[in-house]
Order: sequence, then structure tokens, then C-alpha cells
Amino acid sequence: GAVVSQHPSWVICKSGTSVKIECRSLDFQATTMFWYRQFPKQSLMLMATSNEGSKATYEQGVEKDKFLINHASLTLSTLTVTSAHPEDSSFYICSASDRVTPDTQYFGPGTRLTVL
Amino acid sequence: AQSVAQPEDQVNVAEGNPLTVKCTYSVSGNPYLFWYVQYPNRGLQFLLKYITGDNLVKGSYGFEAEFNKSQTSFHLKKPSALVSDSALYFCAVRRPGTDKLIFGTGTRLQVFP
Repeated sequence: GAVVSQHPSWVICKSGTSVKIECRSLDFQATTMFWYRQFPKQSLMLMATSNEGSKATYEQGVEKDKFLINHASLTLSTLTVTSAHPEDSSFYICSASDRVTPDTQYFGPGTRLTVL
Repeated sequence: AQSVAQPEDQVNVAEGNPLTVKCTYSVSGNPYLFWYVQYPNRGLQFLLKYITGDNLVKGSYGFEAEFNKSQTSFHLKKPSALVSDSALYFCAVRRPGTDKLIFGTGTRLQVFP
């Protein structure tokens, strides 16, 4: 149980294009989803928190117009990196928590984004 | 300010020996504490958590962790290491009343055959 998937697992795009990353909870309803960014050999940095049907809450320093987050249903959240630039290249990881164990986050496998 | 410290960047241990990965925290109130493991190019896998109750928490793959309030520590342990335990381990803390996790910088565990 508590499986979270991400799609795609990796993506390469040209500078200036937009990329959408999907995060799905496969066997539970995710009341809250989180998006993290992880730089090489570093820890996870929380970008934003989203609850189903409401606007995401962004962490300080994260541009909400650049990193668009939509939590359309209890099993799906998307992160769109708009007008991507090479400095946006990173490993993006989502996590989700459910009503049963709201204190525990279950993580997806991550998406490696490379912007050329 | 809330923080989590993992003082060791890397821990090396021989297979079959006990292992310890250290974690200390600084947070107000009674924290929720977590350990996650990350394999290369993968997301984090939940190992165990401490919310309340017994200070010794048992988790997945034979791992356990001991909550020590006086030392504000939550060290991860395993009695007998396996080569397959080699991975990156993250300690995280969550303050009650919030849903945000604060992660340590991670400790790379290398188990040698």
C-alpha cells in the first residue's frame, strides 16, 4: 500500500519550453501532496504544498508563476515548470499523505529534468 | 529555528557488523521523527517513524531507531548490516500542527562485503 508514482521518470527539454510532471497516489486518496526539489548530493527542498481543490502554498523563494501546481483530484497533482531554463534542471520528487496516516508522507520515485 | 542535523556525510561498515546513522534535531514542542532511505535515482522510501510511546521504534528491513529526548537524537540502527543496505539515508522532523517535513542533509551508508 501507499504507492506514489511519477511521470515521466526523466525528461529533457529545450530552454524556454514548459514541462509537466504528474504525481499520482495509486492506492490511496492523497489529501495533501508535496513537491520537492533535490540538487545533486543535497537534501530535499520543499517547494510547495497542495491540498485537493485548493491553491498550492509555496515556500519562500519559490516562484509560483514558474512552478505551477494543480491538485485536481485526490489522486493526482501536477507540477508544470514554465519557460524552463538550464538552472531548473534538477530532480523533482513528490510525496503524498492520506487521511489514515496524515503524519506520514509517501514519496514518488522522482523525475529527472534536464533543460538544454 | 527548526533544524535536523546528520553529522556524518558517510558511514562505512562491514557486512554483518552493526550500523548506526546519527541524527539530532532542534525543534520546539514534541516532534514527529522519521527516517527515509533513497536508492540512486529513486524517490525516498519510508523506513520508520516516532510519534509517541516507546522510545525504540522498529521499522522496515530490520532497521530501528531510538528516540532520546534529553539528547534530542533519533539515531538509526541495525544489528547486522547488509550490502544491499548501501544507500542514502535521510532523517526528517515534523512539528505537530504542521505538515511540513524538515530534512537533514543525508548520510550515505556504504556496506562493504
